[in-house]
Amino acid sequence: AQKVTQAQTEISVVEKEDVTLDCVYETRDTTYYLFWYKQPPSGELVFLIRRNSFDEQNEISGRYSWNFQKSTSSFNFTITASQVVDSAVYFCALSEDRDDKIIFGKGTRLHILP
Amino acid sequence: DVKVTQSSRYLVKRTGEKVFLECVQDMDHENMFWYRQDPGLGLRLIYFSYDVKMKEKGDIPEGYSVSREKKERFSLILESASTNQTSMYLCASSSGRESLTDTQYFGPGTRLTVL
Repeated sequence: AQKVTQAQTEISVVEKEDVTLDCVYETRDTTYYLFWYKQPPSGELVFLIRRNSFDEQNEISGRYSWNFQKSTSSFNFTITASQVVDSAVYFCALSEDRDDKIIFGKGTRLHILP
Repeated sequence: DVKVTQSSRYLVKRTGEKVFLECVQDMDHENMFWYRQDPGLGLRLIYFSYDVKMKEKGDIPEGYSVSREKKERFSLILESASTNQTSMYLCASSSGRESLTDTQYFGPGTRLTVL
């Protein structure tokens, strides 16, 4: 069975602080894909990143970075120098190559306070 | 850029009405999906389609049907709306050329209220 756990339901930080959103997944497959999406107040889910299970390199995109660790089944997302516009719900998701669905975590609501 | 559009941002219907939610994508994607999003339950897959006229049930298909007559359009139908179908409905599409696990791109959502 697949499972994606985002243990942090809600986080508040002050602008310019760094914040890490945790994601832990469960799968028995060796080939799988991990995703992060952002859902701002407008409602649309915005794709941020897709990573396959064979690529454990960390990724950085501007203020965003992702830490993929197969040993701990985690795919954590860090925002550096947070901004108010980063306020949103963030979803981590998992899909196995043999399956046709993406399983989403319950999401973490991030508040960036000015 | 991928563009997924949904016919309405907000919709209010009465119990028993037939409701159509329309989704259109402009990237020639093979796969299309319908989800509903509810507080505390996250996103749940209702139906998906990997080709014209093809459809597959997701995790919660009861009370819904879908139609995909053209590649770019995927409709979600509530045959007889009920109050427990009040929710945010999200449509997504993905390329499908690699697999069904290609990145999904989402529309803006339709917030449906059934009175």
